[in-house]
Order: sequence, then structure tokens, then C-alpha cells
Amino acid sequence: KAGVTQTPRYLIKTRGQQVTLSCSPISGHRSVSWYQQTPGQGLQFLFEYFSETQRNKGNFPGRFSGRQFSNSRSEMNVSTLELGDSALYLCASSLGGRDFGTEAFFGQGTRLTVV
Amino acid sequence: AQKVTQAQTEISVVEKEDVTLDCVYETRDTTYYLFWYKQPPSGELVFLIRRNSFDEQNEISGRYSWNFQKSTSSFNFTITASQVVDSAVYFCALSEALSGNTPLVFGKGTRLSVIA
Repeated sequence: KAGVTQTPRYLIKTRGQQVTLSCSPISGHRSVSWYQQTPGQGLQFLFEYFSETQRNKGNFPGRFSGRQFSNSRSEMNVSTLELGDSALYLCASSLGGRDFGTEAFFGQGTRLTVV
Repeated sequence: AQKVTQAQTEISVVEKEDVTLDCVYETRDTTYYLFWYKQPPSGELVFLIRRNSFDEQNEISGRYSWNFQKSTSSFNFTITASQVVDSAVYFCALSEALSGNTPLVFGKGTRLSVIA
């Protein structure tokens, strides 16, 4: 079955702009989580969506937001981009039921560069 | 607070050598899951293993093995007879059960280079 698909793979934006990243989870998976990966901070959790509702949120400013659609596809948006937002953004999908610890399957990520 | 420490930033071995990647975790919860992921140059994180806090049995899968010791809060990963294709960044991660599905907390990763 198809894996997790993230689009686009690469993006270059200018400071102050906004950006939207997209993630299509594995068919049947209802949970989508987003992570930011940078050389300095490593992998950090942004937020998780389950059945169109945000279920968990990491410690990021309000410029970072997301949503999930009825088909479980998710988008994340970053407004007023800063140089420090340059990172690899990874999306993970899982079944998402109350059986915590279900393994998450990751996409290849979107590499965002802010200039 | 939950925390995962991978003290080894980079490891370089010659092909066919065995290598162990260390992972130490901190959690106040008694119920949690530990994970290992592999990140090849293509970028995606590849799931390798999940272990729950009540199962301290060691696990072997082909050339991979994992040693979970609650007494030392460690979950180490050994690759036997390493191969060039094992070159990647390996992440250890923790998920607590405090409120159902909790996000993964990752260590900083260990970059493994296997030289032919």
C-alpha cells in the first residue's frame, strides 16, 4: 500500500512569507503528526491531528498551525516565516486509536529553506 | 519530564564489525513505549522496533538486536556484521502513556558510517 506522501519535497521562501505543506497519510490511518527537524534542535513535535481535531500540540509559536480534512489528509501552515524556520518538516501517520504507542510511519519530508 | 539521550553523535566502523548504539531515557511514567528509527539520506524515518515498558525481553531481528534494561533506563541497539547499507542516522524515541497517544520524544540521533 502507498506510504505517507508529503508535498512539496523542497521549498524556498523569503522571510515574512507564509507556506503551506501537505501530508497524505497511509490509507486507513486517522492520526497525522508533524515534526520539525533541524541540526541544532533535532526532531521536535509540532502537533497531532486525529479525526480532524488537534489532539496534541508541541511548544511552537502560534505562527505554526495545522488542520486535518475528513479524508485524513493534513496541512500545516507557517506564517511570517523566519530564517530559523528553515528545516526538514516530517509528517507521520498512524492508526491513532487509544492504543498508544502504535508505530508511526513517516514521509520523506519537506525541506523548507527561508532566505 | 521525558528525555532521550543518545550520547554517541557519530560512529564509524569498518564493514562486518559489530556496533552498538546507546540510548538512555528518562520518564516519570510507568507505562511507556520505546522506539528505534533509521533515517537514510533520503530523509524519511524508517520504523525499526517498538518495545513497551512491561516487556524487557531482548529482541533479535536478523542482524539487528535490542537490549532493554529498565534498571539502567537503557534501550541499546546492536547491529551485527555491519554493512555499508546500514549507514544512516539512527534515532531512539520515547512515548509516554500519561494521556493516551503522546508524541514521540526523540534523541539527537547517532550517525553511523560503515566503511567498505
